[in-house]
Amino acid sequence: GAVVSQHPSWVICKSGTSVKIECRSLDFQATTMFWYRQFPKQSLMLMATSNEGSKATYEQGVEKDKFLINHASLTLSTLTVTSAHPEDSSFYICSALGLAGKLEQYFGPGTRLTVT
Amino acid sequence: GENVEQHPSTLSVQEGDSAVIKCTYSDSASNYFPWYKQELGKRPQLIIDIRSNVGEKKDQRIAVTLNKTAKHFSLHITETQPEDSAVYFCAASRVTGTYKYIFGTGTRLKVLA
Repeated sequence: GAVVSQHPSWVICKSGTSVKIECRSLDFQATTMFWYRQFPKQSLMLMATSNEGSKATYEQGVEKDKFLINHASLTLSTLTVTSAHPEDSSFYICSALGLAGKLEQYFGPGTRLTVT
Repeated sequence: GENVEQHPSTLSVQEGDSAVIKCTYSDSASNYFPWYKQELGKRPQLIIDIRSNVGEKKDQRIAVTLNKTAKHFSLHITETQPEDSAVYFCAASRVTGTYKYIFGTGTRLKVLA
């Protein structure tokens, strides 16, 4: 149990376009989902926390108009990178929290975004 | 803001030896401390966690110790094997209130056969 999927696993897009990444909890309902960004050989940087049906809480320095997060249901959260630029190229990972009594976050496999 | 320092950044050990990774956190309200293992290009996987009401926890070759007074916690891996080679991240979190992980900077562990 506690499987989180992400789609797509990798994507290449051109500068100026938008890209949507999906994060799904497959076998449990995720009350809270998190979006992280990870640069090569670096740690996971929390971008935002999203709760189903409410606005996401963004970390300091993360542009909410650029990284749009929608947590439409208890099993799906989406991250849309708008007007992407090469510096947005990164590994984006989501995680989900939701199993009763569990504090563990379950991570998705990540999405590698390359902006050309 | 809250931060978690992690040392060392890289660690090489001979197979069979022990490895120790240390983390120090700044938020005194943190009370949950997970450790994750991440292989190249893969998702982080929880390997062990500890809550603040416990000083030590062990799971086979892996153990975590917590010193709340000093605000640091450590990961101990005994009898290391080549498959233990990966990047390890510690994290600190509050259980109530604002729940989110603050990750350490990571330790790249190499186990030499």
